[in-house]
Amino acid sequence: KNEVEQSPQNLTAQEGEFITINCSYSVGISALHWLQQHPGGGIVSLFMLSSGKKKHGRLIATINIQEKHSSLHITASHPRDSAVYICAASFGNEKLTFGTGTRLTIIP
Amino acid sequence: DAGVIQSPRHEVTEMGQEVTLRCKPISGHDYLFWYRQTMMRGLELLIYFNNNVPIDDSGMPEDRFSAKMPNASFSTLKIQPSEPRDSAVYFCASSRTGVIEKLFFGSGTQLSVL
Repeated sequence: KNEVEQSPQNLTAQEGEFITINCSYSVGISALHWLQQHPGGGIVSLFMLSSGKKKHGRLIATINIQEKHSSLHITASHPRDSAVYICAASFGNEKLTFGTGTRLTIIP
Repeated sequence: DAGVIQSPRHEVTEMGQEVTLRCKPISGHDYLFWYRQTMMRGLELLIYFNNNVPIDDSGMPEDRFSAKMPNASFSTLKIQPSEPRDSAVYFCASSRTGVIEKLFFGSGTQLSVL
């Protein structure tokens, strides 16, 4: 069965802390997405990965194909990073399977 | 480009009424996806189109739901008749080459069926 699991479900940290959100999947994938959903509800695609590592500003996404695991890191976290982060995987077709999300709260 | 445009932003209707949600994808994007988000089930794919053709509608919950894409710049998702359990946020997303690249999401339609 194609499954995607995220951890933690909730994460609260102080401003400036290094943040890691994890995503594991059950079988081989063709693509893994990291999405950000702000309190207003809009969804922004942060990264699409099929291998290796991608970086954009303070955000870094990595994927380990052998271990079926991806991480999203945020360096020097800021209150504006507070959002729900969702990973989603494609198991060889156009249907993404979504994780349940990680609610991140950064306290000033 | 204005991004993916959805309308309306909010829709409140009574059970049994017809609801039509609209989406304009980014120009040049060949793939269009309709997703539904609820507290209980999270994000789910309802249907997707490639070059205006519906490819997979296995996520459409029942015959009350239908979707069309009459041209490359417009898609609709219709619910007739609507039921309270259809209350959710409906997102449209588009991309050039499917899920092997980033998706661009619309702002969503918050649907409440009373």
